[in-house]
Amino acid sequence: NAGVMQNPRHLVRRRGQEARLRCSPMKGHSHVYWYRQLPEEGLKFMVYLQKENIIDESGMPKERFSAEFPKEGPSILRIQQVVRGDSAAYFCASSPGRDNQPQHFGDGTRLSIL
Amino acid sequence: RKEVEQDPGPFNVPEGATVAFNCTYSNSASQSFFWYRQDCRKEPKLLMSVYSSGNEDGRFTAQLNRASQYISLLIRDSKLSDSATYLCVVNSWGGGADGLTFGKGTHLIIQP
Repeated sequence: NAGVMQNPRHLVRRRGQEARLRCSPMKGHSHVYWYRQLPEEGLKFMVYLQKENIIDESGMPKERFSAEFPKEGPSILRIQQVVRGDSAAYFCASSPGRDNQPQHFGDGTRLSIL
Repeated sequence: RKEVEQDPGPFNVPEGATVAFNCTYSNSASQSFFWYRQDCRKEPKLLMSVYSSGNEDGRFTAQLNRASQYISLLIRDSKLSDSATYLCVVNSWGGGADGLTFGKGTHLIIQP
């Protein structure tokens, strides 16, 4: 299956720990997007990356959250010192380009903070 | 980031009926439009792109009205498997927003 791959599917962390979420885009896609969906809410854009570059991080919280998409390997969304309010589904999407291209989503990572 | 608004529903519709949703968007610079479907606690899946001329895919028809800034989705001969949340999605790239802007979704329940 050459779809967008996210792991882990479920992640449980205690308050204060770090969470690392990984995303491998669909084959041939070089644009990666991260979204967060809180319970009973819509998806919210967080960050848009291309290889080794952050293009738009206007949806990222100012503190504790960071994202990268290295030359080799998956994109990583990192949340430091997690708090209960970080509990959500985090979806990654990819597209082959930027212009009017639909994005295809991974299965998401459900993050639960104890 | 500009908003996309949808009626959250739920829409309770008997199997076989026709149902239509609308969605409005506020950013007149929006470039492309999509309908996604999301089943409970799963990832959004692309249902169809929405073109200015309108487009049809089987039982699904999407239309775009740029002047009034709304998008519609029509589902004919609805099936039980159509029960899901339908997300109206707008791409406003170049207008300072490179991600998709999602509506909160319209919840559709098809009843036997």
